[in-house]
Amino acid sequence: EAAVTQSPRSKVAVTGGKVTLSCHQTNNHDYMYWYRQDTGHGLRLIHYSYVADSTEKGDIPDGYKASRPSQENFSLILELASLSQTAVYFCASSPRNTEVFFGKGTRLTVV
Amino acid sequence: AQSVDQPDAHVTLYEGASLELRCSYSYSAAPYLFWYVQYPGQSLQFLLKYITGDAVVKGTKGFEAEFRKSNSSFNLKKSPAHWSDSAKYFCALEGSGTGSKLSFGKGAKLTVSP
Repeated sequence: EAAVTQSPRSKVAVTGGKVTLSCHQTNNHDYMYWYRQDTGHGLRLIHYSYVADSTEKGDIPDGYKASRPSQENFSLILELASLSQTAVYFCASSPRNTEVFFGKGTRLTVV
Repeated sequence: AQSVDQPDAHVTLYEGASLELRCSYSYSAAPYLFWYVQYPGQSLQFLLKYITGDAVVKGTKGFEAEFRKSNSSFNLKKSPAHWSDSAKYFCALEGSGTGSKLSFGKGAKLTVSP
């Protein structure tokens, strides 16, 4: 079964600090995504990638960086965490034009 | 540009009734359309997809959706609804070009009362 593993599952970060969220997939999928979920906004796409060593901006990339060093790994980096970045973050992978497999999410609280 | 709109943020009905969750999209080419469900405290699960072919597609958990190009809609349906269908439902669109992104609507929270 397709698997997407996110770490950590929960994190409290200090305003201005650096945060790295990691995602690992064992599906050999080309596409990987980072979304954030906030009440009232649904899922919003931050960054995505469709090939290793390359990333694309999504709909809300400001304040975030992404890194895809290998087919399996996709990280989301918050260089200077802010209160507004408190949210649940989901990583997902897909072979394209078919089902997207989601991780269990990371609850990030910035204080 | 692409976008997905789910106009009904909250839908409430009684068990046994028919449910229909609306989804409209904006995309200049042929879209790939999906529905996902999220139960409280959980991640998203795939329900069904439309890529091409028959306008009515069937998915898991007894759901089906109808693609209507004429009014750019992809509504989710189920009859009868069951209390266990209570969850949040998301419509999504993937662009058809290489490297296209996957965009979600804001979701519709469905409550089915026994």
